[in-house]
Amino acid sequence: DTEVTQTPKHLVMGMTNKKSLKCEQHMGHRAMYWYKQKAKKPPELMFVYSYEKLSINESVPSRFSPECPNSSLLNLHLHALQPEDSALYLCASSQDPGLGSDTQYFGPGTRLTVL
Amino acid sequence: GENVEQHPSTLSVQEGDSAVIKCTYSDSASNYFPWYKQELGKRPQLIIDIRSNVGEKKDQRIAVTLNKTAKHFSLHITETQPEDSAVYFCAASRAGGFKTIFGAGTRLFVKA
Repeated sequence: DTEVTQTPKHLVMGMTNKKSLKCEQHMGHRAMYWYKQKAKKPPELMFVYSYEKLSINESVPSRFSPECPNSSLLNLHLHALQPEDSALYLCASSQDPGLGSDTQYFGPGTRLTVL
Repeated sequence: GENVEQHPSTLSVQEGDSAVIKCTYSDSASNYFPWYKQELGKRPQLIIDIRSNVGEKKDQRIAVTLNKTAKHFSLHITETQPEDSAVYFCAASRAGGFKTIFGAGTRLFVKA
């Protein structure tokens, strides 16, 4: 399996809702990433997990809460989001976090709309 | 902080022509330079990459060149086709770091 999968594909939520985004990879990769992408902009790094431990948090607001239950799964828990959080949320994985110069493979993304 | 500049932001070419996209990076420790293609509503997909110990790499109609001294790298697409129309992102990263720094993107239009 050479793909990163994400669910759901689309998500519409109100500002008081709690929802979760899920990401899965079965390539044996040990680094997993969450990115946020606004229209016509590059992906913007949010979090990095390395060997299931949070390695980077790019000063993301606490209404976004990442979780890495095991080496294949990555979740992003959402709570009390704002309309400006509407974006495409991309998950990615790479083989060895220590290398850094390492190819990242992206999932198809979750298109999130916050009303 | 680290930065990758990408030019042009928009590029329109006639089918069959060549397209060139240029990037400049600021972190001299960067040693891995991937290029991603993103079609509308889809995921970024790696199309080619180059490491700092190589000056040029080619894969069919796509080639990438790297000038470490000038901290420049470029994507060359020959014999462009309408299906090459997409947004292209250059990026840079380095060993020991987790971050990939993306350029702002180039929107390529190939006119049939």
